[in-house]
Amino acid sequence: AQSVSQHNHHVILSEAASLELGCNYSYGGTVNLFWYVQYPGQHLQLLLKYFSGDPLVKGIKGFEAEFIKSKFSFNLRKPSVQWSDTAEYFCAVNRKGYQKVTFGIGTKLQVIP
Amino acid sequence: DAEITQSPRHKITETGRQVTLACHQTWNHNNMFWYRQDLGHGLRLIHYSYGVHDTNKGEVSDGYSVSRSNTEDLPLTLESAASSQTSVYFCASSPAGEAYGYTFGSGTRLTVV
Repeated sequence: AQSVSQHNHHVILSEAASLELGCNYSYGGTVNLFWYVQYPGQHLQLLLKYFSGDPLVKGIKGFEAEFIKSKFSFNLRKPSVQWSDTAEYFCAVNRKGYQKVTFGIGTKLQVIP
Repeated sequence: DAEITQSPRHKITETGRQVTLACHQTWNHNNMFWYRQDLGHGLRLIHYSYGVHDTNKGEVSDGYSVSRSNTEDLPLTLESAASSQTSVYFCASSPAGEAYGYTFGSGTRLTVV
């Protein structure tokens, strides 16, 4: 079964700093990859997804992620964070041909004004 | 607008009682999922369904059951609530196929005392 690792459990940044959240998965075959965001007190929302094609994926609110197959990674980036980006971010993966998704344990991002 | 709703939003119950959490979606999605979210564990899959009368166990299914009698609803039942089942429960849905992200409900915070 596939698994997802998010190594940074809690990240604190000042506004305007650049963000990179790590995500690695363990499955050796082809996969689909997702990032979700959960704002305080709210449900998870899809931020972006990768299925095929250009490994650099752009999502909502200025976020992007790059799929590096050789490193089994799908890191989330944003060039300049805002206080409103304070949230928990979850990486998720499913194997091609399968609908069930496995989530990482999440990274809490705190942006200080 | 289509939506996915969970009820109740908050519930306190006693150990040993049977509890049912409701999930209703109007997206006409084939797939529905139940997750629990706990600190340090992220999201863990309890049960899922790929269509009417289809149900499957996830990684933490012990003590829980689901049934899918129509497209819109996937109620989650705790047969005999235990303190270890105190958690936030999220329902999610998606269209059939692997290429879609999930739409999540707002969650139910369950406390077992």
